Amino acid sequence: EVQLLESGGGLVQPGGSLRLSCAVSGFTFNSYAMNWVRQAPGKGLEWVSSISAGGSGTYYADSVKGRFTISRDNSKNTLSLQINSLGAEDTAVYYCAKARALMPRDPFDIWGQGTMVTVSS
Amino acid sequence: QTVVTQEPSFSVSPGGTVTLTCGLSSGSVSTNYYPTWYQQTPGQAPRTLIYSTNIRSSGVPDRFSGSILGKKAALIITGAQADDESDYYCVLYMGSGIWVFGGGTKLTVL
Repeated sequence: EVQLLESGGGLVQPGGSLRLSCAVSGFTFNSYAMNWVRQAPGKGLEWVSSISAGGSGTYYADSVKGRFTISRDNSKNTLSLQINSLGAEDTAVYYCAKARALMPRDPFDIWGQGTMVTVSS
Repeated sequence: QTVVTQEPSFSVSPGGTVTLTCGLSSGSVSTNYYPTWYQQTPGQAPRTLIYSTNIRSSGVPDRFSGSILGKKAALIITGAQADDESDYYCVLYMGSGIWVFGGGTKLTVL
């Protein structure tokens, strides 16, 4: 069974940093691109970032470019998102999502349950 | 900045058919945008319904279908059921690794 389990969310002060992780199982991790998608409370989904299967290609929404860094450790079946310079607008549930194949253009199909990030003083 | 458009809300009667659309603020949606549709109920993670325009995800009933209608991608639900009452999101691939979600459609079944 494919499983994605996010962790690392929490309460952080404005300007602070967090590192989110997504532990995966049930599929060959290094054969699939991965994504982060977020959802602010009561709002819609927002694609945040993608990374290719091998990790060489990374892509970001304009709203997070320069502040967020996506990475993956294919030896540990783990996806990460380093988020810096947090503002209130970054408050959201962050989901990791598996793509259907190895490229970021491949649609995402399986989602984790999400981890909540709250930015507040 | 390209905006992906969806109807904010829609209503359908039980057993009825509804077509939700996904457009662009400028231009037409084609299969090259790999339109993909998700269903989300409150407090839950999204569930993939349709990907790459019209391919049904595993386990999704065949009353959900996708297509291109005119200048937009469409999600068609036939024989709507009470548990179809959810938020529906489309996402489009803009190229260069970038995806953009629509604002979502809140579907009411009554």
